[in-house]
Amino acid sequence: ETGVTQTPRHLVMGMTNKKSLKCEQHLGHNAMYWYKQSAKKPLELMFVYNFKEQTENNSVPSRFSPECPNSSHLFLHLHTLQPEDSALYLCASSQDQRQPQHFGDGTRLSIL
Amino acid sequence: GENVEQHPSTLSVQEGDSAVIKCTYSDSASNYFPWYKQELGKGPQLIIDIRSNVGEKKDQRIAVTLNKTAKHFSLHITETQPEDSAVYFCAASSEYGGSQGNLIFGKGTKLSVKP
Repeated sequence: ETGVTQTPRHLVMGMTNKKSLKCEQHLGHNAMYWYKQSAKKPLELMFVYNFKEQTENNSVPSRFSPECPNSSHLFLHLHTLQPEDSALYLCASSQDQRQPQHFGDGTRLSIL
Repeated sequence: GENVEQHPSTLSVQEGDSAVIKCTYSDSASNYFPWYKQELGKGPQLIIDIRSNVGEKKDQRIAVTLNKTAKHFSLHITETQPEDSAVYFCAASSEYGGSQGNLIFGKGTKLSVKP
């Protein structure tokens, strides 16, 4: 149990579907992150939220839309995705942006 | 921006032997270097980290060394066990600059420990 819970663990969707990934942390942290993990590539930072404010958008396409309603919850809304978006999406949290990050177990996303 | 290179990409050792994974970084402003272990079906788990004000840190069978001059850092696992088999990632970040605290990861090393 890492203290960071992601749901669902697996998701298969068509290119025209709309779905959302959810992340919840029980560590009292103030910063939350979305990463994309593809085979044979380094983890790619997508978004950073600090005290519910987005502080980083790493040139992510607009078909990915993050939402952070409070410091414990983070969502990633998905719309009109492409096959190359198939990957493991990881959520992480940290006390602040200078402290160690703790990861959830990810959502395995497959785009048909 | 920062670039982190990690070697080797795969490493196979016999149980009880030592394993060493090496990373280099490009940004001399980087001052925080964590190592993560990722088991199959799990997310990365922080196993040890080091900041630039120290050269070495140990935690039981795991140690990390940092050479700031050469801009490289290494993970050392002694007396390896089958449960050490996983993918290991190094990362680097700087507390300063526009992307404050953002981790830049290496591509990972798949470690296999044979019984």
